[in-house]
Amino acid sequence: GAVVSQHPSWVICKSGTSVKIECRSLDFQATTMFWYRQFPKQSLMLMATSNEGSKATYEQGVEKDKFLINHASLTLSTLTVTSAHPEDSSFYICSALSGDSGNTIYFGEGSWLTVV
Amino acid sequence: GESVGLHLPTLSVQEGDNSIINCAYSNSASDYFIWYKQESGKGPQFIIDIRSNMDKRQGQRVTVLLNKTVKHLSLQIAATQPGDSAVYFCAENIAGGYNKLIFGAGTRLAVHP
Repeated sequence: GAVVSQHPSWVICKSGTSVKIECRSLDFQATTMFWYRQFPKQSLMLMATSNEGSKATYEQGVEKDKFLINHASLTLSTLTVTSAHPEDSSFYICSALSGDSGNTIYFGEGSWLTVV
Repeated sequence: GESVGLHLPTLSVQEGDNSIINCAYSNSASDYFIWYKQESGKGPQFIIDIRSNMDKRQGQRVTVLLNKTVKHLSLQIAATQPGDSAVYFCAENIAGGYNKLIFGAGTRLAVHP
């Protein structure tokens, strides 16, 4: 079946630095990808919709200047957490929309971010 | 039975029993619903989906019921197994929402031998 890969699986960074998380659709093209954040024992919260070749659409309350999203190709979207703080520590999950499979959404395995 | 934990409610069942996990969705305009299973430290795993023009759909050991009148979704798992222990989320797709999924609060299913 279709696979969505996230890299890195886990990352530790220092406060004030930026960290980039990649989301790749390995065997299909995804014009639309989605980024979620999940804190421990909570649900997935949609952060933004990433559209290939255009600006991302952010959900209310998500700072677009802090969470930079780039979707430069049909198989790759990146989320950059800028000037990271400990409260940004979370599980970040992406999903990709496959138009080939009747608009099926496939999820990545997530990326753990710890800011120290 | 059910209990409300710090964030996620927990449903505890005995192995072999049937489990019913409930979800109240928020938007009457939602036209597509999915149940996901999430194991610790992993991404969501698709279980079963249903469109708003249906009220029941069955898969292997799982059944999803949709009641649009009260905006309620349920997931029934037959003969629950230890491997079913996980957190279960319902997700809704709002019609015209460009396929973005909004997730419910989630329920932790604990299966005891």
